[in-house]
Amino acid sequence: SQQGEEDPQALSIQEGENATMNCSYKTSINNLQWYRQNSGRGLVHLILIRSNEREKHSGRLRVTLDTSKKSSSLLITASRAADTASYFCATRETSGSRLTFGEGTQLTVNP
Amino acid sequence: NAGVTQTPKFQVLKTGQSMTLQCAQDMNHEYMSWYRQDPGMGLRLIHYSVGAGITDQGEVPNGYNVSRSTTEDFPLRLLSAAPSQTSVYFCASSYLRGGNNSPLHFGNGTRLTVT
Repeated sequence: SQQGEEDPQALSIQEGENATMNCSYKTSINNLQWYRQNSGRGLVHLILIRSNEREKHSGRLRVTLDTSKKSSSLLITASRAADTASYFCATRETSGSRLTFGEGTQLTVNP
Repeated sequence: NAGVTQTPKFQVLKTGQSMTLQCAQDMNHEYMSWYRQDPGMGLRLIHYSVGAGITDQGEVPNGYNVSRSTTEDFPLRLLSAAPSQTSVYFCASSYLRGGNNSPLHFGNGTRLTVT
């Protein structure tokens, strides 16, 4: 079964609005990562947050991590049409090296 | 620096045929892995490797073999293709040093259709 589950599965917003995606997971983790996938391409790493961190920023991206609730959120501020893509969370468990992905959120930003 | 290179980009097989999906990386990454991506199911881990000569199974290993004879290459073999293996396959790699805090680098995928 999937370690991470994203919510919502699909999100449609207008350009300039903020987009928030959530991820829940099941086991203890070493870190949690967010990736972006444009249609027909491979995934691209966006940001990594370690288990001892609570919040991290990178440009218009803000990630939070709540290990007590086993959940994370990705906020994209001032969205652009070019942000249209699928977004995946992935977790690296403390017990091993492999990275497990959720099912993704399809974000559509309308111009 | 080419990153992660996957070949072929597209492949059509008949049921029962075998083939090898190639993956190569030039970043000296210890960790390499194969995922399949199906609609509504995200990415599922097939096999992974933490170094040359070491491989291990992921979530969905049945019907696939891997080997890691060099640091650079991690081929995925389909032994006897089945329609259920129709999918998009991604190879990804990363460093392992640094406490597993390295991001994965992905290839652009191989789109496989089994008829």
